[in-house]
Amino acid sequence: KQEVTQIPAALSVPEGENLVLNCSFTDSAIYNLQWFRQDPGKGLTSLLLIQSSQREQTSGRLNASLDKSSGRSTLYIAASQPGDSATYLCAVPPGGTSYGKLTFGQGTILTVHP
Amino acid sequence: GAVVSQHPSWVICKSGTSVKIECRSLDFQATTMFWYRQFPKQSLMLMATSNEGSKATYEQGVEKDKFLINHASLTLSTLTVTSAHPEDSSFYICSANIPGQSYEQYFGPGTRLTVT
Repeated sequence: KQEVTQIPAALSVPEGENLVLNCSFTDSAIYNLQWFRQDPGKGLTSLLLIQSSQREQTSGRLNASLDKSSGRSTLYIAASQPGDSATYLCAVPPGGTSYGKLTFGQGTILTVHP
Repeated sequence: GAVVSQHPSWVICKSGTSVKIECRSLDFQATTMFWYRQFPKQSLMLMATSNEGSKATYEQGVEKDKFLINHASLTLSTLTVTSAHPEDSSFYICSANIPGQSYEQYFGPGTRLTVT
C-alpha cells in the first residue's frame, strides 16, 4: 500500500526566501507525481505534474524534482511571496499505474510573512 | 487547464436526511471521476471511483449504500450522502482528468457538508 509523507508539516519564512518542500513515497513504481496547492476551505490547484521519466518540471518560480529510486520528490519555491501562503500537497497514483486514484501526503502548511 | 465545478459549495442538513453533491467537468468529457473526503486538518482520502455508465468502485471502508454515486453522463457525477449523520460532516472534493492527455488530475472547488 502506497504511503506518502511530507516534511516539514509546517514552515514559516520571511518574504523573499527560497524554500524546499519534501515528499517521500514508499512504492517507487509510480508513473507520475503531482504537486498541489490548497488554500483554506478551498479545492486543490494543480501546480506541477512530473512524469516518472522526468527528473524535473518547472513552472515560473516553482521547480519540482523526482527521484524514483529513492522515493523522493522536492518542490522548490524561489523568492517566496506572501501570496504563496497555503498548504502544499503531493500525491501519487498506485504503483505501476498512471490511474488517477491518488494517495496524498499530509501536506506542508506554508506561511510567508512580509 | 481543465475546469471542474461542484455544486453546492456548502450545505447544511439535519441528521437523517440525504444530500446530493454534483461534480461537473465544464470543458471536457470525463469517463472517470474520483471522489475524495477531507476531514479538518487532515489530507484527502479517496472514497470512490465514478465510472460513466457503470457502477462506482469504492475504497475499503467506504459504505457504498451510504455514499451513492451516479455518473449518468460524460460531464456529471453525483454523490448522494444518504441518512447523513454528524460524523459525515466533511469537505467533499471530486477530480477528473482529460482522457487521452496526461494523467494530471483536476480538482473541483469542494463541497463543505455540515450535518446538524
